[in-house]
Amino acid sequence: EAGVTQFPSHSVIEKGQTVTLRCDPISGHDNLYWYRRVMGKEIKFLLHFVKESKQDESGMPNNRFLAERTGGTYSTLKVQPAELEDSGVYFCASSPTRSSYEQYFGPGTRLTVT
Amino acid sequence: GENVEQHPSTLSVQEGDSAVIKCTYSDSASNYFPWYKQELGKGPQLIIDIRSNVGEKKDQRIAVTLNKTAKHFSLHITETQPEDSAVYFCAASKRGVTGTASKLTFGTGTRLQVTL
Repeated sequence: EAGVTQFPSHSVIEKGQTVTLRCDPISGHDNLYWYRRVMGKEIKFLLHFVKESKQDESGMPNNRFLAERTGGTYSTLKVQPAELEDSGVYFCASSPTRSSYEQYFGPGTRLTVT
Repeated sequence: GENVEQHPSTLSVQEGDSAVIKCTYSDSASNYFPWYKQELGKGPQLIIDIRSNVGEKKDQRIAVTLNKTAKHFSLHITETQPEDSAVYFCAASKRGVTGTASKLTFGTGTRLQVTL
């Protein structure tokens, strides 16, 4: 069974540009989470999808961040326009059902904004 | 909201020794406590977890203990090996208002180095 995959693995963009990160969860997993780790600090929650619906988006830092999960399969996280403080590693995680606690993480996308 | 503190931030042990990492949490409603291991260039890997109805759980060389009263939990690694070198994160979670699983709140991580 394939794990959570993320694309790209690394992205370098200039301030003001747009970047779209993609996450493919483990097949059949209803829950999809986005997290990020900035400047070596703790991993922080961004948002949580249950299938195609946003269950909790309390961690989204501002309206420059837009997440979608059309059809309840893969998810994208768009940052527009990117700022320097958006640099970090963005992780995606998935878990099987609405009641599942265990979350399985992807390898992350390292975003560098210059 | 939940706040998770983790200590120490770095830990160096000799191969074969034991390593202990400690975390405290603030929200008494938290009921799920996983530990993740992150190796260089990889995502966090779930290595062990414990729920609030259990005080201790063991899996080979790894064990986790939970003290609900004091709101702290610990990871214990015995007979450490060089391949145990990584960053370890503790986390806490609880049921969401609709009964679904919800977000993890992480500690700041512990860099464990196992020396020969």
